Amino acid sequence: QKEVEQDPGPLSVPEGAIVSLNCTYSNSAFQYFMWYRQYSRKGPELLMYTYSSGNKEDGRFTAQVDKSSKYISLFIRDSQPSDSATYLCAIPGGYNFNKFYFGSGTKLNVKP
Amino acid sequence: DSGVTQTPKHLITATGQRVTLRCSPRSGDLSVYWYQQSLDQGLQFLIHYYNGEERAKGNILERFSAQQFPDLHSELNLSSLELGDSALYFCASSPRLEDEQYFGPGTRLTVT
Repeated sequence: QKEVEQDPGPLSVPEGAIVSLNCTYSNSAFQYFMWYRQYSRKGPELLMYTYSSGNKEDGRFTAQVDKSSKYISLFIRDSQPSDSATYLCAIPGGYNFNKFYFGSGTKLNVKP
Repeated sequence: DSGVTQTPKHLITATGQRVTLRCSPRSGDLSVYWYQQSLDQGLQFLIHYYNGEERAKGNILERFSAQQFPDLHSELNLSSLELGDSALYFCASSPRLEDEQYFGPGTRLTVT
C-alpha cells in the first residue's frame, strides 16, 4: 500500500465552481500535511501547510485534515482558469522525517 | 521565486555520457531533496541530504549519485546516461526535516 494515494483526474470544471481535491494516507502517525500546485514543466509551489486535524483557510483555498479517516482535502472556491494546474498532496514521514511522500497529483482544468 | 536555484536550466547530451546537476538551497535550509519527473508523471523521490549527510534514498539508480557540500549546495551526478533518463530533475530544500519543501525551477535533461 502506498503511503499517500491521490486520484490523478483529470478534473475539468467551469470557472467559478468549487473544486474538491483529495488524498488518503496510510500511516495514522502522520502529523503534517501539505498541498502543492505545479504548473506544467515548473517546480511545485507550496499552497497550504497544516498540522494535525482541522481546517486552514487562505483566500480561496481551504485545507482540511480528517485524521480519523486518514483523509486530506483541498477546496478551491470561485475557481479561475489560472488555477488550472496539477495539485499534489505531500506528507513528511519516514524515520525522523527523512522522507517526503507525494501523491501522484490531480490535474485540474478550469474552463472559462 | 522560491529561493532555490538550479543549474543548468536545460541540458542536452548523448547516451553514455555523464552530467552534473547543481542545486543551491534557500539560505539557512539544511535539507536538500532530489526528485525526477518524467513527462506527465509524478515526482519520483531520489535522495535526501541533511546538513551534509545522506538521510534517505528513494528509487535512485546505481548510475546516479549525489552529495551535499559544506556550504550546503548539492550536486546530482548522472552517468552512463540512457534515453529513459530524459526528465525534469528538481531539487527542493527545507529548514528542518518536517518542514515544507521549497522547489527549484528544475533542470530539463534531454538524452539523445
